[in-house]
Amino acid sequence: EADIYQTPRYLVIGTGKKITLECSQTMGHDKMYWYQQDPGMELHLIHYSYGVNSTEKGDLSSESTVSRIRTEHFPLTLESARPSHTSQYLCASSEHRGDIYEQYFGPGTRLTVT
Amino acid sequence: GNSVTQMEGPVTLSEEAFLTINCTYTATGYPSLFWYVQYPGEGLQLLLKATKADDKGSNKGFEATYRKETTSFHLEKGSVQVSDSAVYFCALTPFQGAQKLVFGQGTRLTINP
Repeated sequence: EADIYQTPRYLVIGTGKKITLECSQTMGHDKMYWYQQDPGMELHLIHYSYGVNSTEKGDLSSESTVSRIRTEHFPLTLESARPSHTSQYLCASSEHRGDIYEQYFGPGTRLTVT
Repeated sequence: GNSVTQMEGPVTLSEEAFLTINCTYTATGYPSLFWYVQYPGEGLQLLLKATKADDKGSNKGFEATYRKETTSFHLEKGSVQVSDSAVYFCALTPFQGAQKLVFGQGTRLTINP
């Protein structure tokens, strides 16, 4: 079982603040992902990384940025938070099992920007 | 392109009822198929998977069969419990070895005692 952690779990912050959402995994997985989950539940991939110093933008354009300096750590940063950034953010990592990659998800960070 | 379409929710059932959540897909290659479950306040957990046509994935009483002829992967459970209340996501990776998941829109399931 993969262990993947996200902090904080809940964050309420004012417009214009800089925030960093933390994501860590202890399984040594190379591949990590950030999803944005809107109130209608739909999941959108916003960033992914296939290893240290590798980051790519996902399918949904996002004003956030990510970094991958260490294998276990994949933080997401918003330089200036806006109410439109209010959402649930889910981090995941994946490992190769047989002929597929299985993704394991963290518990999520629910962000509210006022 | 690659996409997943799920049954519209929310779905409300009584305990011990039979559950079906429909899922159909479009894929350009030979996809692997997944069902994920999200309990309230938590992240997603892999519920079951199938990697090729006619494979049946099963876990915790849930089953889904990979039907290539109908491009479907419907989730079923014979007798649901209150603890099954959650949001269920059907998903695919478009070919073996693909690393990005394509999700359906999710179906919220509520089971009443």
